[in-house]
Amino acid sequence: GNSVTQMEGPVTLSEEAFLTINCTYTATGYPSLFWYVQYPGEGLQLLLKATKADDKGSNKGFEATYRKETTSFHLEKGSVQVSDSAVYFCAPNSGYALNFGKGTSLLVTP
Amino acid sequence: DSGVTQTPKHLITATGQRVTLRCSPRSGDLSVYWYQQSLDQGLQFLIHYYNGEERAKGNILERFSAQQFPDLHSELNLSSLELGDSALYFCASSVGGQGSPLHFGNGTRLTVT
Repeated sequence: GNSVTQMEGPVTLSEEAFLTINCTYTATGYPSLFWYVQYPGEGLQLLLKATKADDKGSNKGFEATYRKETTSFHLEKGSVQVSDSAVYFCAPNSGYALNFGKGTSLLVTP
Repeated sequence: DSGVTQTPKHLITATGQRVTLRCSPRSGDLSVYWYQQSLDQGLQFLIHYYNGEERAKGNILERFSAQQFPDLHSELNLSSLELGDSALYFCASSVGGQGSPLHFGNGTRLTVT
């Protein structure tokens, strides 16, 4: 099946700092890749996706590029805000089951 | 609003009891997934249904069962509850197929006392 490796955190950054959350995955075939975000007290929401190698997904200032050669899908944002404080999940999806890691907890301080 | 509805929002019950969690997927979505989220285990995939048929099983205990009904809503049944079953249970739906993103409900928080 599919699996991911991402840092658990917590990652603590000051507002306007640069963010990178690393994600590497193992999967059969050529999965689509997703980043989801979970704000406190809520379910997960799709943040961005990429469906094939070298695709870049982007949304709300976040970006991630599908790197097939390194099986990675690192999440980046140039300038984080306090409202970005949440848990971020990287997930490959090929086939019927979608496995999530423990997520990376991000805390942005003013 | 994801369009996925989970009921109840909160559930408090005693060890040994049985509960049923309910999920209504987004309109048009055929796939339903169930997940368990706890602090120590993270977000664990339990089971996936597509159009009424079971498609994949994850780390689902034998005490747990699920089904998807003809109207596509799904129920997760948890029996012989133990303290360790206390967790957030999420349902997610998608149109189905590789590359389809999941849309999550806000979860049911189960507390077993």
